[in-house]
Amino acid sequence: GNSVTQMEGPVTLSEEAFLTINCTYTATGYPSLFWYVQYPGEGLQLLLKATKADDKGSNKGFEATYRKETTSFHLEKGSVQVSDSAVYFCALTLPPRGDYKLSFGAGTTVTVRA
Amino acid sequence: GAVVSQHPSWVICKSGTSVKIECRSLDFQATTMFWYRQFPKQSLMLMATSNEGSKATYEQGVEKDKFLINHASLTLSTLTVTSAHPEDSSFYICSALGGNEKLFFGSGTQLSVL
Repeated sequence: GNSVTQMEGPVTLSEEAFLTINCTYTATGYPSLFWYVQYPGEGLQLLLKATKADDKGSNKGFEATYRKETTSFHLEKGSVQVSDSAVYFCALTLPPRGDYKLSFGAGTTVTVRA
Repeated sequence: GAVVSQHPSWVICKSGTSVKIECRSLDFQATTMFWYRQFPKQSLMLMATSNEGSKATYEQGVEKDKFLINHASLTLSTLTVTSAHPEDSSFYICSALGGNEKLFFGSGTQLSVL
């Protein structure tokens, strides 16, 4: 079946540190890949997405590249801020399920300290 | 932006009782909503797809008689956990599909069954 594995947290960083959250997937076919973020007390929000191999999604300083050869979609940010403290979820979906029947990872809690 | 309100945010109940969780789209109509569940340290898993005016579609392994879903209006879907038991203790999240095919999530409900 389809599944997503992401690195376990929690992750604690200092401001301006480099952040990487690993995500690998298993899927039959060619999935679309997503990163969602959940800030405290809020719902999940789409952070970025990539729909085919070698695509790079980017938003708010975060980037992730769809690597078909390693079945990975690692999330990176070069210099984190306290406001980046949140739970990050890697997810995938497969046609014809559309971009909304998602298979998620377990989430990674990131805390950024000033 | 579009907001999905989910209530309650946490609930504690006795074993054998039923618990209802509400998911409302506040400024848009949602013919389709989704319900997810997350056990500690596990993936966020899709439970069912809720369609306004028709029966919900459940994912494999989810008991439809235990997790009753009602989507009686274009802005409200409810999930009722019937005869809850401690193994039903989990984090439940809803999402709603907006008219522009974007997905909006509630902030989740933590259910603890004693």
